[in-house]
Amino acid sequence: GAVVSQHPSWVICKSGTSVKIECRSLDFQATTMFWYRQFPKQSLMLMATSNEGSKATYEQGVEKDKFLINHASLTLSTLTVTSAHPEDSSFYICSATGQGGTGYTFGSGTRLTVV
Amino acid sequence: DAKTTQPPSMDCAEGRAANLPCNHSTISGNEYVYWYRQIHSQGPQYIIHGLKNNETNEMASLIITEDRKSSTLILPHATLRDTAVYYCIAWDYGQNFVFGPGTRLSVLP
Repeated sequence: GAVVSQHPSWVICKSGTSVKIECRSLDFQATTMFWYRQFPKQSLMLMATSNEGSKATYEQGVEKDKFLINHASLTLSTLTVTSAHPEDSSFYICSATGQGGTGYTFGSGTRLTVV
Repeated sequence: DAKTTQPPSMDCAEGRAANLPCNHSTISGNEYVYWYRQIHSQGPQYIIHGLKNNETNEMASLIITEDRKSSTLILPHATLRDTAVYYCIAWDYGQNFVFGPGTRLSVLP
């Protein structure tokens, strides 16, 4: 079945630095990729949607200059958290869908801790 | 997007069937019912989906009422590893997956 690989699985960074998270579709071409954020004991909240080769669409309240999304190929999307602060500490999850609309496949998530 | 409602939590004895209900009374004709689960600190895992007919796979069965306003996910023989949050989502191609709070299933020994 479809597999989405997400790296790193966890990262600790200092406040003010930037962190990049990668999301790869391993066995299918992901026309659309999605980035979610999940705080403890809460559900997943969609941050942004990206289509290969075009700018990401951000959900209301998500700062596009802080959360940079690049979807340069049909198999790779990256999320860069710029100038991270402790309140950005969260579980970040990517997902992807291919052509034909067969639902979403999710990555394993990245736990970001900003100290 | 159709909104779904689920009970916040359920318990199930190990080895017994777990029946997780979902209400989607405003679902449109083109929207599928998808079920995912999330084990602690992992990404959501696909379980099953259906449109109108009941579906079964190696993980679970999905029973959709004739009017499509509700559905039930059945784990036939729950194990401790089935302890997770289960999400029911109504989705059509082109929509975003919208996650509600889900049902926290605890399988008890």
